[in-house]
Amino acid sequence: GNSVTQMEGPVTLSEEAFLTINCTYTATGYPSLFWYVQYPGEGLQLLLKATKADDKGSNKGFEATYRKETTSFHLEKGSVQVSDSAVYFCALKSRDFNKFYFGSGTKLNVKP
Amino acid sequence: EAQVTQNPRYLITVTGKKLTVTCSQNMNHEYMSWYRQDPGLGLRQIYYSMNVEVTDKGDVPEGYKVSRKEKRNFPLILESPSPNQTSLYFCASSFGTGLETQYFGPGTRLLVL
Repeated sequence: GNSVTQMEGPVTLSEEAFLTINCTYTATGYPSLFWYVQYPGEGLQLLLKATKADDKGSNKGFEATYRKETTSFHLEKGSVQVSDSAVYFCALKSRDFNKFYFGSGTKLNVKP
Repeated sequence: EAQVTQNPRYLITVTGKKLTVTCSQNMNHEYMSWYRQDPGLGLRQIYYSMNVEVTDKGDVPEGYKVSRKEKRNFPLILESPSPNQTSLYFCASSFGTGLETQYFGPGTRLLVL
């Protein structure tokens, strides 16, 4: 079956620290992979995506690389800001069916 | 303004009383989907639709119904709500098959007593 596993939070960092949020997946075939962000009281927004192995998605200083050999899609940012405080969701879309599978979310708190 | 709207935003109801949560998008998107968000479980897909009159089950469809009679609307129907359907519900839409950016609505918080 298909599933996504993310590291549990919350993750608390100081401003300008390096961020890594781990995401691994199980999928039949070759899925597309996504990171979504949810700010307090809002719906989710797409942060970045990768549709095939070795693709790197990037946006707003965040990056993630689709690693087929380790079935991973870890989110990284070199220097976080207070405004990055949010909940981050890793997700996959199955190629066989048009279904989405989300991880449980990782809350990031960035302190000034 | 491009957006996905949901109504109501908040709803308290009792077990067994049928309810409908509406979802509408103004972007002419083909793909629409409903999710529920529960603490520790993330988002789980309930139903999705590839286009008018084409709907399919997501991961947790039990207890829910949907319809897609018009491209812009995708209502979620709970025929006989139960307390385990208390959750935060999101509607989303995108072009094509969902690989494009999904735009999410603001959410509907449902409490079933």
